[in-house]
Amino acid sequence: GQNIDQPTEMTATEGAIVQINCTYQTSGFNGLFWYQQHAGEAPTFLSYNVLDGLEEKGRFSSFLSRSKGYSYLLLKELQMKDSASYLCAVRDPGDSNYQLIWGAGTKLIIKP
Amino acid sequence: NAGVTQTPKFQVLKTGQSMTLQCAQDMNHEYMSWYRQDPGMGLRLIHYSVGAGITDQGEVPNGYNVSRSTTEDFPLRLLSAAPSQTSVYFCASSYGLPRAGSSTDTQYFGPGTRLTVL
Repeated sequence: GQNIDQPTEMTATEGAIVQINCTYQTSGFNGLFWYQQHAGEAPTFLSYNVLDGLEEKGRFSSFLSRSKGYSYLLLKELQMKDSASYLCAVRDPGDSNYQLIWGAGTKLIIKP
Repeated sequence: NAGVTQTPKFQVLKTGQSMTLQCAQDMNHEYMSWYRQDPGMGLRLIHYSVGAGITDQGEVPNGYNVSRSTTEDFPLRLLSAAPSQTSVYFCASSYGLPRAGSSTDTQYFGPGTRLTVL
């Protein structure tokens, strides 16, 4: 079956670093997305990985290991505004239209 | 650019009522889709469209209809509302069609419609 696992909730301290993990089991793989979603708002795009390795974008980095079916999102110098849910989504070419399979999201709580 | 817009933001229906959720985008995106988001679950695809006049079913299409008469608009119709359809509905669009190894199908989401069916 197709499955994406993320921790339900994480807590971190302002100014610290946090790593949010995502593991996936899909029939195929053609890219992984991370989105940020503040409470009551729409998801917004953070990062995209299709090859193994680390992609860095300012305070946010995303890592992918295709052989392990594993990705993580690393957030540095945490700010209160980073309190949000982080959604992992995998593009699966198992059907002809490459639909995204979404994880349930990780709610990140930042404490002062 | 307004991006992706959705109306209404909130809606309460009684079981059996019908209604249409509106979605529009002004980015000339080919691909549009409707998702529902429920607590503890990932976004689930209801219907999608790869261009004007072309629509297809997603993972959870039952009870919903769509049409795509223009590139800009992609309304979602609830035929006979049921309490199980209580959810937050997001419309999304992307420039490119989903294809292998490309980020051009990064999806832009509307603000959502929070629907309650009593």
